Amino acid sequence: SQKIEQNSEALNIQEGKTATLTCNYTNYSPAYLQWYRQDPGRGPVFLLLIRENEKEKRKERLKVTFDTTLKQSLFHITASQPADSATYLCALGNNRLAFGKGNQVVVIP
Amino acid sequence: DTGVSQDPRHKITKRGQNVTFRCDPISEHNRLYWYRQTLGQGPEFLTYFQNEAQLEKSRLLSDRFSAERPKGSFSTLEIQRTEQGDSAMYLCASSLGGLGLAGNEQFFGPGTRLTVL
Repeated sequence: SQKIEQNSEALNIQEGKTATLTCNYTNYSPAYLQWYRQDPGRGPVFLLLIRENEKEKRKERLKVTFDTTLKQSLFHITASQPADSATYLCALGNNRLAFGKGNQVVVIP
Repeated sequence: DTGVSQDPRHKITKRGQNVTFRCDPISEHNRLYWYRQTLGQGPEFLTYFQNEAQLEKSRLLSDRFSAERPKGSFSTLEIQRTEQGDSAMYLCASSLGGLGLAGNEQFFGPGTRLTVL
């Protein structure tokens, strides 16, 4: 069966450090992988999209890698700030997005 | 505010009642999506439209659920004979899609939280 796995445990990280989240998937061959941020009680907000032929994508303090051989994406937040505290969702697909459960990040001042 | 809007933001209903939610997408977006999210889970795809055509519907969507986008602008999602298991956040999203615009980001609304008693 198709699965998208994100770490269920919250990531607690000191301000200024780099947070790294993992998204693993099975039985998918996605052409695109997206990362979204979600705050409590709000809808997800798009952060980055990476294509299958791209190894890495950056946007400001965010970096995403996509390894289609390992079937894995890594999401990095460098120089993390308390305002980065949120749940981060990995999503596969184009129109019909399949989401992971999300990974909560808590940045400690 | 030119983002995606949803109405109502909260709905409490009794089991067996019908409910209808509305979504107004970003005006120039031709694609509109509905998702459902329960606590601790990621959003789950329900259906999507390109303009007024409903192009895909999840197999998980029972016959009690119906969605429309009659003029290719706003959309409604109706749930008939609600059950307690329908309690969730219903999210609407929109995007600009078409030839050469594959892999597009989706803009989500704030959601409608449904509680079925």
